[in-house]
Amino acid sequence: GAVVSQHPSRVICKSGTSVKIECRSLDFQATTMFWYRQFPKQSLMLMATSNEGSKATYEQGVEKDKFLINHASLTLSTLTVTSAHPEDSSFYICSAPNRGASSEQFFGPGTRLTVL
Amino acid sequence: LAKTTQPISMDSYEGQEVNITCSHNNIATNDYITWYQQFPSQGPRFIIQGYKTKVTNEVASLFIPADRKSSTLSLPRVSLSDTAVYYCLVGDRGGYNKLIFGAGTRLAVHP
Repeated sequence: GAVVSQHPSRVICKSGTSVKIECRSLDFQATTMFWYRQFPKQSLMLMATSNEGSKATYEQGVEKDKFLINHASLTLSTLTVTSAHPEDSSFYICSAPNRGASSEQFFGPGTRLTVL
Repeated sequence: LAKTTQPISMDSYEGQEVNITCSHNNIATNDYITWYQQFPSQGPRFIIQGYKTKVTNEVASLFIPADRKSSTLSLPRVSLSDTAVYYCLVGDRGGYNKLIFGAGTRLAVHP
């Protein structure tokens, strides 16, 4: 099946710094990718839709200036958490649909962000 | 997007069949029912998708009654490795559509 990777798998940073998370589709092209956030014992919350070559679409309540998304190529989307604070500590997951398997999305392994 | 309701948690034992029911009273005519599985600290994984009646693959079966207001994910002969959270989603079939996850069902399989 299609593979989606994320880097880094976990990151610890100081409050006020920015952190970049990469999401790559390894064996297929993804014009669309999705970013989710998941707090402990909770469900996934969709943050935004990343579109190759255009601006991301953010869900209501998600600050676009804090969570910068760049879909630079057909295989890479990045999420930058700017001026991170402890409340941004969470599990960030990306996903992408594969054109060859239209009914499902393929999820990355997730990135655990801890802000001190 | 139609709202879904699932049991918060379930317990089972190895070798048993597990049935997780999802209610989706407001399902639209064009909506499909999709189930994902998530292990701790991992991204979700697609299990199965259906529109009506029954769908079966190598992992699970999905039963959908005629009114489509509910669906049941059936896991045959579960093992410890099936311990996970199972999410029922309702929406357009295409993978390009954004997914809205509900609370899911936390399944614990015991020896």
